[in-house]
Amino acid sequence: GDSVTQMEGPVTLSEEAFLTINCTYTATGYPSLFWYVQYPGEGLQLLLKATKADDKGSNKGFEATYRKETTSFHLEKGSVQVSDSAVYFCALSDLYGGSQGNLIFGKGTKLSVKP
Amino acid sequence: NAGVMQNPRHLVRRRGQEARLRCSPMKGHSHVYWYRQLPEEGLKFMVYLQKENIIDESGMPKERFSAEFPKEGPSILRIQQVVRGDSAAYFCASSAQTGGTEAFFGQGTRLTVV
Repeated sequence: GDSVTQMEGPVTLSEEAFLTINCTYTATGYPSLFWYVQYPGEGLQLLLKATKADDKGSNKGFEATYRKETTSFHLEKGSVQVSDSAVYFCALSDLYGGSQGNLIFGKGTKLSVKP
Repeated sequence: NAGVMQNPRHLVRRRGQEARLRCSPMKGHSHVYWYRQLPEEGLKFMVYLQKENIIDESGMPKERFSAEFPKEGPSILRIQQVVRGDSAAYFCASSAQTGGTEAFFGQGTRLTVV
């Protein structure tokens, strides 16, 4: 079945450091890919998405490119801030792979940014 | 513009009691998904509903768990005879369409079984 694998955390960075969180996926069909962010005690918020190969999703300085050849959707940010501290989830939705549009999540990567 | 509303935010139940979790989707959204998040884990899909219909319940435990989304009112996730292993955060998401469109999440209900 479909699955998402993302790098294990926690990840601790200093403010203004470069961030990469790796995410790879396995899918039967042609999935849409997402990054969600979860702040402590809160629900998930969509950070960015890409719906087809070579699409780049971007938001709030974060970027991720849908790479079909490597089945990857790595999250990057050039300069992190303390306020970026949260748990980041990579997810896919594979409507044409047999699911009904539900999201399949990775286990999450906790990011802590120190001042 | 109210988002997805879940209540209660926190729920404590003794073993053997029933838990009812409510989810009101965003206005105009007719697709509702329930997910469960165990400590230190990602979210796992449980059930997908449209108004008055269960579309996919492949992630739902076969016993004690049920879900509904009536014509009027919120979606309900019901857990009968709760056990300690049911302790988790339960999230509801809604979308206007299925597939690659954005799903909006509620803040979750944190169920603790004592």
